[in-house]
Amino acid sequence: DAEITQSPRHKITETGRQVTLACHQTWNHNNMFWYRQDLGHGLRLIHYSYGVQDTNKGEVSDGYSVSRSNTEDLPLTLESAASSQTSVYFCASSKVGTLRGTDTQYFGPGTRLTVL
Amino acid sequence: DAKTTQPPSMDCAEGRAANLPCNHSTISGNEYVYWYRQIHSQGPQYIIHGLKNNETNEMASLIITEDRKSSTLILPHATLRDTAVYYCIVRVAFRQNFVFGPGTRLSVLP
Repeated sequence: DAEITQSPRHKITETGRQVTLACHQTWNHNNMFWYRQDLGHGLRLIHYSYGVQDTNKGEVSDGYSVSRSNTEDLPLTLESAASSQTSVYFCASSKVGTLRGTDTQYFGPGTRLTVL
Repeated sequence: DAKTTQPPSMDCAEGRAANLPCNHSTISGNEYVYWYRQIHSQGPQYIIHGLKNNETNEMASLIITEDRKSSTLILPHATLRDTAVYYCIVRVAFRQNFVFGPGTRLSVLP
């Protein structure tokens, strides 16, 4: 079955280190997204991509970067991890929208990142 | 995207219908109503969406008022596994950004 996976599921790192979170989907969806979820803030959009070589900044993009070299993967990189980036990170994907607006986003299981 | 208002929490007895309301009084004509839920620590799960007609699928029914200013998600026979935070989201079709508010925490009680 097609799916979306994230790795690692849990990560502990130190302030200042570079960290990369992986997201892989097998639905052949054009669109991919990264969110973070913190207590009291709900989900907030970090970066998104509409296709290969396309990336866009979301609401809370500072300190994060993404690259899209193929359809299946959108890795999220924290250039220099900070304690404020301790959070749960969710990846999502969707296909190109249709007339019925069925560009539903499907979410991965999440990565819990702790920055010490 | 239009803002939505949901009650912060609700309880429902197991086996009964759970009716989750959502107000979206500033919704515009090209905005869809989406519902997602998030079971503890898991990724959000798509439930259903609609534009102006009522919709039903294997998980739930979505009732949208005629003026489209509010909607209700109905879980016809709630089980303990339906305990989750439910998000009502209004967004323009084809626009990619979903804005998740605080949602409604539904507790299904035995």
